[in-house]
Amino acid sequence: QKEVEQNSGPLSVPEGAIASLNCTYSDRGSQSFFWYRQYSGKSPELIMFIYSNGDKEDGRFTAQLNKASQYVSLLIRDSQPSDSATYLCAVTLPNAGNMLTFGGGTRLMVKP
Amino acid sequence: EPEVTQTPSHQVTQMGQEVILRCVPISNHLYFYWYRQILGQKVEFLVSFYNNEISEKSEIFDDQFSVERPDGSNFTLKIRSTKLEDSAMYFCAKIRRNTEAFFGQGTRLTVV
Repeated sequence: QKEVEQNSGPLSVPEGAIASLNCTYSDRGSQSFFWYRQYSGKSPELIMFIYSNGDKEDGRFTAQLNKASQYVSLLIRDSQPSDSATYLCAVTLPNAGNMLTFGGGTRLMVKP
Repeated sequence: EPEVTQTPSHQVTQMGQEVILRCVPISNHLYFYWYRQILGQKVEFLVSFYNNEISEKSEIFDDQFSVERPDGSNFTLKIRSTKLEDSAMYFCAKIRRNTEAFFGQGTRLTVV
C-alpha cells in the first residue's frame, strides 16, 4: 500500500522561529512532491512543490527532498501566527498521472 | 480569486437521497479531479476526469458515484443513495503547469 506519513503534531514553535515539518513516503518511484497548507474548514492551498533532490526556496519556505531516504521536508523561517495551520504532504506515484496521495498532515501552532 | 468555484458550499441531505456537487472552472480546462476529506482524516482521491472521460478512479469511487460534464463547462459529482459515511468535504481540483493541483473551496456534505 502506498503511504505518505506525517507526524500529526501539534508542532508548537514561537513566533520568529524556524518550523520544520517532515514527511516520509513508501513508494520509491514517487515522482513529484507537494506541500499544502490547510486552515481549519478550508481547502488545501499549494505552497511548494519539488521534483529533484535538494533544496528549493520560495520566500520564507524551503522544501527539501531526499529520494534515497524517501523523505521530504518543509522549513518555514520567521514563523508567524498566521502560519498556524495543518500542513499536508502529497506525492504523485508512477503510472498514476497527477493523482495526489496525501499524508494525514501536521498541525503547526505558532505562538506569539 | 479562486481558480475553481464549487457549489453549493454546504449541502445537507437525508440518507438515501441523491446529491449533485458542482465545480466551475474560471478558465477552460480539460483535466479535473475530485477529492474528499472526511472530518479529521486524510484528503483522498476519488476520480480524475479528462476530456469528458474518467481517466483514473480510486476504490472509493464505486457505483454510487458518477461524474459528468453536462454542459461543456461545469463538472459534476453525483452521489446516489447517500450514506452517513459520505459526510465529508468534497474538493474539486484543476491541474496547472502539468502537475500543480489547485483546489476549489469545497462543498461540505452532511448526510443525516
